[in-house]
Amino acid sequence: KNQVEQSPQSLIILEGKNCTLQCNYTVSPFSNLRWYKQDTGRGPVSLTIMTFSENTKSNGRYTATLDADTKQSSLHITASQLSDSASYICVVTDNSGGYQKVTFGTGTKLQVIP
Amino acid sequence: DGGITQSPKYLFRKEGQNVTLSCEQNLNHDAMYWYRQDPGQGLRLIYYSQIVNDFQKGDIAEGYSVSREKKESFPLTVTSAQKNPTAFYLCASSINREGLKTQYFGPGTRLLVL
Repeated sequence: KNQVEQSPQSLIILEGKNCTLQCNYTVSPFSNLRWYKQDTGRGPVSLTIMTFSENTKSNGRYTATLDADTKQSSLHITASQLSDSASYICVVTDNSGGYQKVTFGTGTKLQVIP
Repeated sequence: DGGITQSPKYLFRKEGQNVTLSCEQNLNHDAMYWYRQDPGQGLRLIYYSQIVNDFQKGDIAEGYSVSREKKESFPLTVTSAQKNPTAFYLCASSINREGLKTQYFGPGTRLLVL
């Protein structure tokens, strides 16, 4: 069964500090991995997307890495801001043909405090 | 503005009542999806549609129904057969061809049972 596990479940950091969120997956065959940001009560918004051949992708202060061999990804947030407070969801798509199966992680809830 | 809209933002359902959640997109996407989000769980797929007049069951379709009469619209009906309907419902759309298929999400509808 395809699974996506994220850690930590929740995290509190001071404004201006950096943090790293983790995602481990067992999805096979792998197609792509995406990180989404979801503000409370809102829909998720895509931050980055990576295919098998990509091992890093940046979007402003967000940098995602992918190690397809160990099936791990991380999302690094630099110089955090209060507006970074949200849930961050790792999403992995398999490439089994036809409709691509999408598996969502349960998310990491990040709180940035002044 | 291009995007996905969902309405209403909040919806209350009485016992035995069917309710319909609206989802509209003007991104010219062929594929549309309905997900359910519960606390502590990843998004779970209810139904998806890759083309007009065609839709497929997802992982938790029981107690739900959909229609896809127009490319722009994919309404979800929560029937009285759904015994635990309280959740946050998210609609998404994507282009429907091989490739990355980034999903774009609507703002969500929170359904509560009276």
